Amino acid sequence: KAGVTQTPRYLIKTRGQQVTLSCSPISGHRSVSWYQQTPGQGLQFLFEYFSETQRNKGNFPGRFSGRQFSNSRSEMNVSTLELGDSALYLCASSLGLAGRWGYEQYFGPGTRLTVT
Amino acid sequence: AQTVTQSQPEMSVQEAETVTLSCTYDTSESDYYLFWYKQPPSRQMILVIRQEAYKQQNATENRFSVNFQKAAKSFSLKISDSQLGDAAMYFCAYRSAENNNDMRFGAGTRLTVKP
Repeated sequence: KAGVTQTPRYLIKTRGQQVTLSCSPISGHRSVSWYQQTPGQGLQFLFEYFSETQRNKGNFPGRFSGRQFSNSRSEMNVSTLELGDSALYLCASSLGLAGRWGYEQYFGPGTRLTVT
Repeated sequence: AQTVTQSQPEMSVQEAETVTLSCTYDTSESDYYLFWYKQPPSRQMILVIRQEAYKQQNATENRFSVNFQKAAKSFSLKISDSQLGDAAMYFCAYRSAENNNDMRFGAGTRLTVKP
C-alpha cells in the first residue's frame, strides 16, 4: 500500500499570502489529522477530519482551516500568513477516529512552509 | 487536559547496547492508548510501538519494548541491541479512547547512536 503523501514538499511564501497544502491518506483510511511542528512548540494538533467533517480542532486561529473530500483526501489552508507560521506541516491518516479502537496514525513526509 | 512529558531532551547509546527513553503522562481517564513514534532525520514519522491501557502485558516489537506502569502513568521505551539506524527523535504520544480526542505528543527525545 502506498503511504501518506503530501504536496508540495517545500513551499516559500511571503507574509499576507495564503497557502493550501494537500494530503492523500493511505487507501482505506478515512481519518486525516493535521499537525504543525516547530522547534519551539513541538508537535501541535491542528484538526482532524473524518467522513468529510471536522471532528476535532486544536487551539489555532481561524486563519487555519481545512476540509476533506469524499475520497478522504484533505487540504489545509492558511490565510494571511505570518512569519510564525513557518513550520513543518504533517498530515497523518488512520482507519478511523480513535474512539474505542485506538487507531494509530500514519504520517506523511510533511510540507516545509517558509514564510518570509 | 492530558499532557505528555519526556524529560530527556537528548540521549546517547553505544551501538549494540540498550537504552531506555522515559515518558510520563497526566490523565484522569482510565481507557486510552499510548504510542512511541520515531522521526529520523528524513522527517517521516514512523510508528514504533503501541500500548492499550487496558492491557497489562507490555507491548514488544522486535528490539523495541515498553515498560507500561499505569498507576505511575509511565510509559518508557527500551531499545535493545541499538543500531545506527535507530538514531532519531522519539516522540511519546497519548490518545484517549473515551473521546475522539487529538493525539497529544511529548516534546521528544533525540537519540544518538555511537558506533
